[in-house]
Amino acid sequence: GENVEQHPSTLSVQEGDSAVIKCTYSDSASNYFPWYKQELGKRPQLIIDIRSNVGEKKDQRIAVTLNKTAKHFSLHITETQPEDSAVYFCAASKGTSYGKLTFGQGTILTVHP
Amino acid sequence: DAGVTQSPTHLIKTRGQQVTLRCSPKSGHDTVSWYQQALGQGPQFIFQYYEEEERQRGNFPDRFSGHQFPNYSSELNVNALLLGDSALYLCASSSTYQETQYFGPGTRLLVL
Repeated sequence: GENVEQHPSTLSVQEGDSAVIKCTYSDSASNYFPWYKQELGKRPQLIIDIRSNVGEKKDQRIAVTLNKTAKHFSLHITETQPEDSAVYFCAASKGTSYGKLTFGQGTILTVHP
Repeated sequence: DAGVTQSPTHLIKTRGQQVTLRCSPKSGHDTVSWYQQALGQGPQFIFQYYEEEERQRGNFPDRFSGHQFPNYSSELNVNALLLGDSALYLCASSSTYQETQYFGPGTRLLVL
């Protein structure tokens, strides 16, 4: 089955710096890649997603890039703020699986004021 | 517009007992997926329900079963609880053939 590896497991940055989290997936048939942010004790919240027919997608300070050949995708957060501190999860799914998401292990992002 | 809701928020059980968790999907959604999230881990897919049928299942034993009702709400049942079943159980809803899933707040289960 699908396997998603996520790095780094922890990431510490200063406010205003950029943060990059990387994920690799194993199943070349995967075609949908969402990113979720989970604050302590709260539900995972979708922050951005990308489909395999697109190489890059941006939403204000957040962007995701996808390299289908290398089977990896990355989350980029610019101008980080303390409220960006949370656990970030990448995930992958295949269109034929009707939404079964395979998650990475998560990255704990800490933004220091 | 209510989002995904789950009940109860917390639950404490002992080994060997049975538990039922409940989920109401976001308005307009007809598909419910269940995930188990162990401490410090990413969510793991248990199964998905659509049109009151289990459409897909992850690598979980038969002790984990579910149900979907005509109003699209869903239940997750776990029998013969083990200590290792202690986790946050998340429900996610989506609409037909759409990948985007929205999560509920979860039920935290502790098995003693």
